[in-house]
Amino acid sequence: DAGVIQSPRHEVTEMGQEVTLRCKPISGHDYLFWYRQTMMRGLELLIYFNNNVPIDDSGMPEDRFSAKMPNASFSTLKIQPSEPRDSAVYFCASRPQAGGEQYFGPGTRLTVT
Amino acid sequence: RKEVEQDPGPFNVPEGATVAFNCTYSNSASQSFFWYRQDCRKEPKLLMSVYSSGNEDGRFTAQLNRASQYISLLIRDSKLSDSATYLCVVIGPGGYQKVTFGTGTKLQVIP
Repeated sequence: DAGVIQSPRHEVTEMGQEVTLRCKPISGHDYLFWYRQTMMRGLELLIYFNNNVPIDDSGMPEDRFSAKMPNASFSTLKIQPSEPRDSAVYFCASRPQAGGEQYFGPGTRLTVT
Repeated sequence: RKEVEQDPGPFNVPEGATVAFNCTYSNSASQSFFWYRQDCRKEPKLLMSVYSSGNEDGRFTAQLNRASQYISLLIRDSKLSDSATYLCVVIGPGGYQKVTFGTGTKLQVIP
């Protein structure tokens, strides 16, 4: 298995632009998580899905952030408009139904100038 | 009080030393606990689960103390390759609906 796939790996954009991050979970995993990691705040859970349905989005910082999971093999995290404080590494992770371990993708390093 | 707290370190230890990290959690109803390892500029990866009775995996030992609400990770005979950030993870309460990562403890093993 290829593991969790994220794209792009790096994104540099200007303030005000729309940013879309993509994630392909491991096949057969029922849970998908989006995290943001910064030096100051560590790893923060933004939102997670179970069987493509958003279950808890209480970690989404504000309305500029939105996430979708149209099918079991694809999810997006969108920031519109982006701001410099959104600069961080965004990780996607998936987990099988029964297990506790989360498998992380390599992350997208976002820089907003 | 933060839900999950770790000493950020860094812990600088010589090769061969034994080092221990603690992680405290605030919710006594938390259900599951894990240690993850994160190398610089890489994604976190599961190191080991933490069981109530304590568990060992080679040079690594994890313990859970529910009374004092902390988990610990002990690394014996440290190797240079152990240099990384160690994140504790607390699950629950409410099953897998709540996943909280600590901010991590940085370990640097020195030759």
